[in-house]
Amino acid sequence: EDQVTQSPEALRLQEGESSSLNCSYTVSGLRGLFWYRQDPGKGPEFLFTLYSAGEEKEKERLKATLTKKESFLHITAPKPEDSATYLCAVSRTGGSYIPTFGRGTSLIVHP
Amino acid sequence: GAGVSQSPSNKVTEKGKDVELRCDPISGHTALYWYRQSLGQGLEFLIYFQGNSAPDKSGLPSDRFSAERTGGSVSTLTIQRTQQEDSAVYLCASSLGIEGTQYFGPGTRLLVL
Repeated sequence: EDQVTQSPEALRLQEGESSSLNCSYTVSGLRGLFWYRQDPGKGPEFLFTLYSAGEEKEKERLKATLTKKESFLHITAPKPEDSATYLCAVSRTGGSYIPTFGRGTSLIVHP
Repeated sequence: GAGVSQSPSNKVTEKGKDVELRCDPISGHTALYWYRQSLGQGLEFLIYFQGNSAPDKSGLPSDRFSAERTGGSVSTLTIQRTQQEDSAVYLCASSLGIEGTQYFGPGTRLLVL
């Protein structure tokens, strides 16, 4: 069974204090790993898809990296508007393409 | 272009009543998904459609839940005889194909009293 574990569950940062969110996964064969951002009262917003170990993608202050066992979402010099819940999901090769989601990391960035 | 839309945005109902939740996917997206998100829980997969057919209904929690999709576009999730444990946010997503990236709607917040 595919598993996705995100840590920490919650993270408080001061504005400008860089940090990383972790997504550990277990999947028989990785088709893709997805990062989403979810603001309170809204649906998840797509950020990145990573397909193979060593791959990196960047968007503004966010950089996602992937190894064979985990992915990191690095947040550089965060701003209060980066406050949200960040969700990780994995999809496996063969069979169903339905992704398995983690429970998310709730990030609060204080001014 | 327009994203995924869902209606209603909020629904309050009494235990035992039936509810219908609607999803309008992104134009041209052939795959459509329904998820449920409860407070503090991850996204729980319910059902997906490829075109108008539903190859995977494994996530539907009980026979009170059903969904249909017509014309390869709009989908309706129906919950019959609602229970308090059905209270959650119901999210819809669509993708260009089954392998495509899923784009989510804003969700319907359902409260069963």
